[in-house]
Amino acid sequence: GQQLNQSPQSMFIQEGEDVSMNCTSSSIFNTWLWYKQDPGEGPVLLIALYKAGELTSNGRLTAQFGITRKDSFLNISASIPSDVGIYFCAGFPSSNTGKLIFGQGTTLQVKP
Amino acid sequence: NAGVTQTPKFQVLKTGQSMTLQCAQDMNHEYMSWYRQDPGMGLRLIHYSVGAGITDQGEVPNGYNVSRSTTEDFPLRLLSAAPSQTSVYFCASSAGTGSLETFGSGTRLTVV
Repeated sequence: GQQLNQSPQSMFIQEGEDVSMNCTSSSIFNTWLWYKQDPGEGPVLLIALYKAGELTSNGRLTAQFGITRKDSFLNISASIPSDVGIYFCAGFPSSNTGKLIFGQGTTLQVKP
Repeated sequence: NAGVTQTPKFQVLKTGQSMTLQCAQDMNHEYMSWYRQDPGMGLRLIHYSVGAGITDQGEVPNGYNVSRSTTEDFPLRLLSAAPSQTSVYFCASSAGTGSLETFGSGTRLTVV
């Protein structure tokens, strides 16, 4: 089946550092999404990207839809302790009927 | 607004037992879905529904049944639980196929 490869699998950083994670696929995607999951909760949408090359910010978060439509990245600037959680990329492939595909997740830990 | 409500939050089953995970949404969303989340594997689609009376299989449907008798409710049934079904289950809903999904807070299921 279609897969999204997300990296890195985990990160342990110092408060104030910038963070970057990405997602790649062998298939073309129409939409890229980035979610954050806090412990014991469901994923919450952070950013949605709809066009190749699109760069979108949400506060300290910035995400881009790759030109090839096969990748996306998420950057978090000046990390704070509440950024801790699991970040998932997800997307709607161009080839299916709208089923959302998830990456494996990036676990972020921030040291105060 | 309640959004997507899942019950129960936690459940322990013995192998072979059956149970139903409940999911309800109050946003009048047509599209509803069930995912399971396992460590290192992201979220995988089990079943989905594009409207009342219509259901279809996702990536990992074996061992699970669903029905959609109303727009609001989308229960997930395990007919004979197996240890491999130990996971965290998330229900989600959206306005339609390919639209952004809102997730419930999850049900943590352990099968012993």
